[in-house]
Amino acid sequence: DVKVTQSSRYLVKRTGEKVFLECVQDMDHENMFWYRQDPGLGLRLIYFSYDVKMKEKGDIPEGYSVSREKKERFSLILESASTNQTSMYLCASSDDRGPYNEQFFGPGTRLTVL
Amino acid sequence: GDSVTQMEGPVTLSEEAFLTINCTYTATGYPSLFWYVQYPGEGLQLLLKATKADDKGSNKGFEATYRKETTSFHLEKGSVQVSDSAVYFCALITNTASKLTFGTGTRLQVTL
Repeated sequence: DVKVTQSSRYLVKRTGEKVFLECVQDMDHENMFWYRQDPGLGLRLIYFSYDVKMKEKGDIPEGYSVSREKKERFSLILESASTNQTSMYLCASSDDRGPYNEQFFGPGTRLTVL
Repeated sequence: GDSVTQMEGPVTLSEEAFLTINCTYTATGYPSLFWYVQYPGEGLQLLLKATKADDKGSNKGFEATYRKETTSFHLEKGSVQVSDSAVYFCALITNTASKLTFGTGTRLQVTL
C-alpha cells in the first residue's frame, strides 16, 4: 500500500511564526504536491515537485515556500504565518508513468494561526 | 484555463436511495476525469477515473461516464449506504498540464 504521511494532524501557531509542514511518501514517487483545502474552494495547489531539488509554483504560492532535499520528503514552509493561512493542508504524491496517474494523499494537517 | 463545476451540497439521502452528483468541466487540452472521496478525518482517495470519451469508471458501486458532448462526468450510485457519507471531489488533468484541477467538493450525508 502506498503511504503518504504528514508530520502533524493538528497544529496551532501564532502570527509571525515560521511553520514547517512535513510530508513523507514510501513508494519512491517522483512527483509530490502540496494543496490547501478550504470550504467552498475545494483543493488549490500551492507547489509541486517532480524531482529532488526541483519545484514548481502552483495556483497560490504566495506566502509559502517548499523544500525537497530527498526524494521521499517534501516540506511546506510558511515563513511568517498569517491568520489567512489557517486551513487544511494536504500532501500528495504520484509516480511518473504517465500524465493521468493517480495521486495518493496524506491525511492532512489542520493548521490554525492565531 | 481548466475548471470543474460541481453541484452544491450538502446532499442528504436516506439509505438505499439513488445518488447523482453532477460534475461538468472546461478544459484547454484533452482531459482525464476523476472522482475522489474524502471520508471524515481522512485525506482524499481515488474513487474512479475515466481517461477518454465514453469510458465508464466504476468502483464500490459508484459509476461515472465520460461524456465529451456534454463535458460532464456525473457520479451515480444505485443504493447508498450510511458508510458512503463523505465529501466527493470531481477533478481533471489534461495532456497539456501536469496538475489536477479540483471542483469545490460535494458533501453527502446518508441517514438511516
